[in-house]
Amino acid sequence: GQNIDQPTEMTATEGAIVQINCTYQTSGFNGLFWYQQHAGEAPTFLSYNVLDGLEEKGRFSSFLSRSKGYSYLLLKELQMKDSASYLCAVMDSNYQLIWGAGTKLIIKP
Amino acid sequence: GAVVSQHPSRVICKSGTSVKIECRSLDFQATTMFWYRQFPKQSLMLMATSNEGSKATYEQGVEKDKFLINHASLTLSTLTVTSAHPEDSSFYICSARDISWQGEAYEQYFGPGTRLTVT
Repeated sequence: GQNIDQPTEMTATEGAIVQINCTYQTSGFNGLFWYQQHAGEAPTFLSYNVLDGLEEKGRFSSFLSRSKGYSYLLLKELQMKDSASYLCAVMDSNYQLIWGAGTKLIIKP
Repeated sequence: GAVVSQHPSRVICKSGTSVKIECRSLDFQATTMFWYRQFPKQSLMLMATSNEGSKATYEQGVEKDKFLINHASLTLSTLTVTSAHPEDSSFYICSARDISWQGEAYEQYFGPGTRLTVT
């Protein structure tokens, strides 16, 4: 079966750095996505990785290792507004998005 | 960036009635739209894939006679929850894929979601 695993909840301090991990097992791979979702709102796109390595976009970076079925989202200089759920999703061989359950990130002052 | 709208944003209905939710791509054409349902503290669950001009493809366990999907144009898909029950109360989100998407996988554009409460 297809499976996406990520931690349920993480807590970090304002101004610090946090890394949210995601491991996956899917039938085929056409890219991995990270989305941010604030409570009661729809997800918003953060990043897309299809090749191994690190993609940096401002305070957010995303890493992918296809051989290990592993990705992480790195958030730097945390701000209170970064408190949200972070969803990892993999596009499988049928170009369907397979979603993880999301990681709720709590930022403390 | 591409914008997807949903209407209504919130709806409360009585058990047994039907509710229609609209999903529109505002500045692009979408051959494919997706309907998701999300229960509190759970991830998105794909309900169905809606293709313009053809029947929707429903995920296993989703009743197609209960959740009617119509994708009559390249900018509009509708989801009708028929004979709604309290257990159908959820957050319904649509997303759309741009017609210019050529298989080199990229982002889906999400609507803001519709909060359905069935009393």
